[in-house]
Amino acid sequence: DAGITQSPRHKVTETGTPVTLRCHQTENHRYMYWYRQDPGHGLRLIHYSYGVKDTDKGEVSDGYSVSRSKTEDFLLTLESATSSQTSVYFCAIRGGENYSNQPQHFGDGTRLSIL
Amino acid sequence: KNQVEQSPQSLIILEGKNCTLQCNYTVSPFSNLRWYKQDTGRGPVSLTIMTFSENTKSNGRYTATLDADTKQSSLHITASQLSDSASYICVVRSQGAQKLVFGQGTRLTINP
Repeated sequence: DAGITQSPRHKVTETGTPVTLRCHQTENHRYMYWYRQDPGHGLRLIHYSYGVKDTDKGEVSDGYSVSRSKTEDFLLTLESATSSQTSVYFCAIRGGENYSNQPQHFGDGTRLSIL
Repeated sequence: KNQVEQSPQSLIILEGKNCTLQCNYTVSPFSNLRWYKQDTGRGPVSLTIMTFSENTKSNGRYTATLDADTKQSSLHITASQLSDSASYICVVRSQGAQKLVFGQGTRLTINP
């Protein structure tokens, strides 16, 4: 398995609280991604990073921010969690150059419940 | 609009039988198509990846086909095993794009 660790694996919190999810990789890959997975939808991209301090928005970025201060860590923050952000969040990493055919490797997800 | 549609949504078969999962896409311009397997409670794991010039690729008992003209792909599983119970996700990448387009997946259950 690719060296990806997501933490926490499960979290329950209340509406309006800040939440930070962490993705840690040991592969030294340049590209890192945050997705959410909800019933009735395919995986949807929230944000991605193409290097330290280099990030860009995905298709469902509203209400989320990210940071990447080191190659190995990519943080996803919900500044003020809402019930619509209850989901399973996956981090993925990819090696290779910009438009490489290398596959993305996924972590095992964080199940986040916002009450 | 770039879309990936998978069928069936769910499928139940007996252990040892073969099955085929379908994927139709409208992503353009096409770069590559991937199939992932996702076990319950786990992240997706890549099975195969095919570019425009490839029309079949195998990974053990999994064989993926691609018809770029009709924009269709299939994943054939031979001699199914209980461990094949999972969701199978078809994913398409457009040329020059970071973003992947994910299908909703087919939930496959293998019964003994």
